[in-house]
Amino acid sequence: AQKVTQAQTEISVVEKEDVTLDCVYETRDTTYYLFWYKQPPSGELVFLIRRNSFDEQNEISGRYSWNFQKSTSSFNFTITASQVVDSAVYFCALSEAWSNYQLIWGAGTKLIIKP
Amino acid sequence: DGGITQSPKYLFRKEGQNVTLSCEQNLNHDAMYWYRQDPGQGLRLIYYSQIVNDFQKGDIAEGYSVSREKKESFPLTVTSAQKNPTAFYLCASRTPSRNTEAFFGQGTRLTVV
Repeated sequence: AQKVTQAQTEISVVEKEDVTLDCVYETRDTTYYLFWYKQPPSGELVFLIRRNSFDEQNEISGRYSWNFQKSTSSFNFTITASQVVDSAVYFCALSEAWSNYQLIWGAGTKLIIKP
Repeated sequence: DGGITQSPKYLFRKEGQNVTLSCEQNLNHDAMYWYRQDPGQGLRLIYYSQIVNDFQKGDIAEGYSVSREKKESFPLTVTSAQKNPTAFYLCASRTPSRNTEAFFGQGTRLTVV
């Protein structure tokens, strides 16, 4: 069973539009962590954010924001006023206490920002 | 600077050859990981190691081998038994007990010619 679901395979928007990338996870653990990574065309994965299960505060970092909702098991990522440089594949990941915090990856969402 | 280094960036292999991909980290991380990524696909775990001299198979270990003789190094050998080795290979490290994020290398693109 998929434990981390990124249902959007590819999203294409025009520059300056806002875009939200969805991440839904499945866990029975009360202690877990969620991550978002960006993979630009160069290939290296770049860490964006880590959130633990006890902290449901939303996070904002510049044009990026994250909405963590335990009630819906979601950890969604919004880019405001998108730019061409935001074009990349974005991955969501989960690590759970019971599995010694092994990383479980979503399939990724390819984001295309058109000028 | 602390980081994780993969080499080479591009690698060409003839069919039937073994090749070894290098991964070195100076972050003092306990765990190291190898992932395979095919075009347009996500990450698939090949092998991981939580401590020196110990490693476990991931989801797609067949045709690959690893060693962890030093904390800093986790080389991956793609053997001739791997029937379709052309892919992008990513190495990562982290300290799971502290729930830190994983740091990734720049990747090695392996092509069978």
